[in-house]
Amino acid sequence: DVKVTQSSRYLVKRTGEKVFLECVQDMDHENMFWYRQDPGLGLRLIYFSYDVKMKEKGDIPEGYSVSREKKERFSLILESASTNQTSMYLCASSTPDIAQPQHFGDGTRLSIL
Amino acid sequence: DAKTTQPPSMDCAEGRAANLPCNHSTISGNEYVYWYRQIHSQGPQYIIHGLKNNETNEMASLIITEDRKSSTLILPHATLRDTAVYYCIVRVHTGANSKLTFGKGITLSVRP
Repeated sequence: DVKVTQSSRYLVKRTGEKVFLECVQDMDHENMFWYRQDPGLGLRLIYFSYDVKMKEKGDIPEGYSVSREKKERFSLILESASTNQTSMYLCASSTPDIAQPQHFGDGTRLSIL
Repeated sequence: DAKTTQPPSMDCAEGRAANLPCNHSTISGNEYVYWYRQIHSQGPQYIIHGLKNNETNEMASLIITEDRKSSTLILPHATLRDTAVYYCIVRVHTGANSKLTFGKGITLSVRP
């Protein structure tokens, strides 16, 4: 089975802090994604990566950056956390083939105080 | 991606089949139908997907109408652990960006 592991299930940080969310997948997938999920807004794509050191902006990249130094690891960085970034963050991975599904981690519920 | 329409909620009795409908009347020929579910406080879980033909796996069956404008996810013997929000998604490959667009989904409640 595909395993996508997010480093923390729950995280509490303060405004202005630099926050790192880590995601690791064990299926040698080329594509990795970061989404955030908020009530009433569904899942929104923040960034995705289709190869090591490659990244593309999703729908809501402002206030975030990403890093993909190794194929299995995709990090989301909140440069200076703000309260409106309190959310559930979900990482996913997949092959490039849309006939194959994206697989999600269990999410990180991040609270910015 | 094509828009999908699902009723907001439904329930079924434990042990009975749960049939979850989805309309996707604007689907294009190269768009896949995907189903995911999300149990409270967990990430979305992939269930099944299909293009034209009906599909079955260990979790569920997917029935796609001949005109592909609607589909039904069938959980053959629902259990209490199947209580979740179920998302129907149609997905087309748009270059490197193959994001999933989740709608509001349908909340399935399985009653004892």
